[in-house]
Amino acid sequence: DAMVIQNPRYQVTQFGKPVTLSCSQTLNHNVMYWYQQKSSQAPKLLFHYYDKDFNNEADTPDNFQSRRPNTSFCFLDIRSPGLGDAAMYLCATSRDKTGTNQPQHFGDGTRLSIL
Amino acid sequence: DQQVKQNSPSLSVQEGRISILNCDYTNSMFDYFLWYKKYPAEGPTFLISISSIKDKNEDGRFTVFLNKSAKHLSLHIVPSQPGDSAVYFCAASGLLQGAQKLVFGQGTRLTINP
Repeated sequence: DAMVIQNPRYQVTQFGKPVTLSCSQTLNHNVMYWYQQKSSQAPKLLFHYYDKDFNNEADTPDNFQSRRPNTSFCFLDIRSPGLGDAAMYLCATSRDKTGTNQPQHFGDGTRLSIL
Repeated sequence: DQQVKQNSPSLSVQEGRISILNCDYTNSMFDYFLWYKKYPAEGPTFLISISSIKDKNEDGRFTVFLNKSAKHLSLHIVPSQPGDSAVYFCAASGLLQGAQKLVFGQGTRLTINP
């Protein structure tokens, strides 16, 4: 089955220690997104890639960066995690970004804990 | 500024009855609306959507209604089943700041009681 896969499902890191979350997709979609979701809140878009074109949200902290080495993979790097970065991180894909009527397809998320 | 709002954090419905989940939005640039369902420890799963040119879309037990003048949409599930117990997110898509973006509501936890 074509899908969006996130690894690991659970990640624990120390305060200030860099961490990388990964996402892969077999849907061959052009667009990949990273969302942060804190408890009882709406998922919040951090950034997205349209092919190799990176688009950062204005309020995404500089601490968060992303890489997309190829169509299938996208990484979220948190350079110096703080306690406030503990959250669920969701990866999503969509076939294209232009036009409408294109749902995003989500992975199961990585829950990040900061010690 | 919360552009998509789900004012009911939780809803409890008897099995077999109709579940109605509501969502309001503020930005008239939104032109596509979606509902996602989320089980614990899983990512959101796309459920049903509606374009702004329509006022109703139906898929089996699920129907989404859109009232553009009121900037309101709702999801009806009938009949409700225990497996429908989950968190439901409303989302709105539109061209915002030059890019097609999806904005989520905070979710409504639906519990179906046997």
